[in-house]
Amino acid sequence: DQQVKQNSPSLSVQEGRISILNCDYTNSMFDYFLWYKKYPAEGPTFLISISSIKDKNEDGRFTVFLNKSAKHLSLHIVPSQPGDSAVYFCVCGGTSYGKLTFGQGTILTVHP
Amino acid sequence: EAQVTQNPRYLITVTGKKLTVTCSQNMNHEYMSWYRQDPGLGLRQIYYSMNVEVTDKGDVPEGYKVSRKEKRNFPLILESPSPNQTSLYFCASSLLFGRAGDTQYFGPGTRLTVL
Repeated sequence: DQQVKQNSPSLSVQEGRISILNCDYTNSMFDYFLWYKKYPAEGPTFLISISSIKDKNEDGRFTVFLNKSAKHLSLHIVPSQPGDSAVYFCVCGGTSYGKLTFGQGTILTVHP
Repeated sequence: EAQVTQNPRYLITVTGKKLTVTCSQNMNHEYMSWYRQDPGLGLRQIYYSMNVEVTDKGDVPEGYKVSRKEKRNFPLILESPSPNQTSLYFCASSLLFGRAGDTQYFGPGTRLTVL
């Protein structure tokens, strides 16, 4: 029973264009959402987060959108750069308990 | 330097031989957690700890134990390892949990092979 799904295993984008990574969740108790980036042979690194009281959070080139009614969140990267090529994980949690659930990840490749 | 350290980084062992993977953070973080990463499954949380002496199960706790006797350390114990516990393990910590903008810092990973 996968509570967090990233349905696109991979995404290929041209440098300078927008990258959109999507994530769907099923647990209505989730109220805290994050995106992490991971390079091979390294631990994940935090990108951006959003709480359920907001529907958008922006940090530089990264914007996360949350649609609570659809149980859907997305990460927009604009403009995409070759250094953004990595695996991106959607992570969902509930602030009233400490559990975090990761999606399976999406491999983003940004071509020069 | 603020960091999360894990030891060992690589370990090959045999079925049934008890082992411990250590995790330590120097940031006075309250929240610590263990994950395993397997191909096609992403990262799955094994156990987490909201503070000293407070631990709870994640999504895949079977076959693992943890303890949190002091704030900086959160060891992962495999009492009787089996081949299906062959995986890449990550420890992580954060100052608190769930606070907007708070983030988990991950260790470099431990590659475990159980023969």
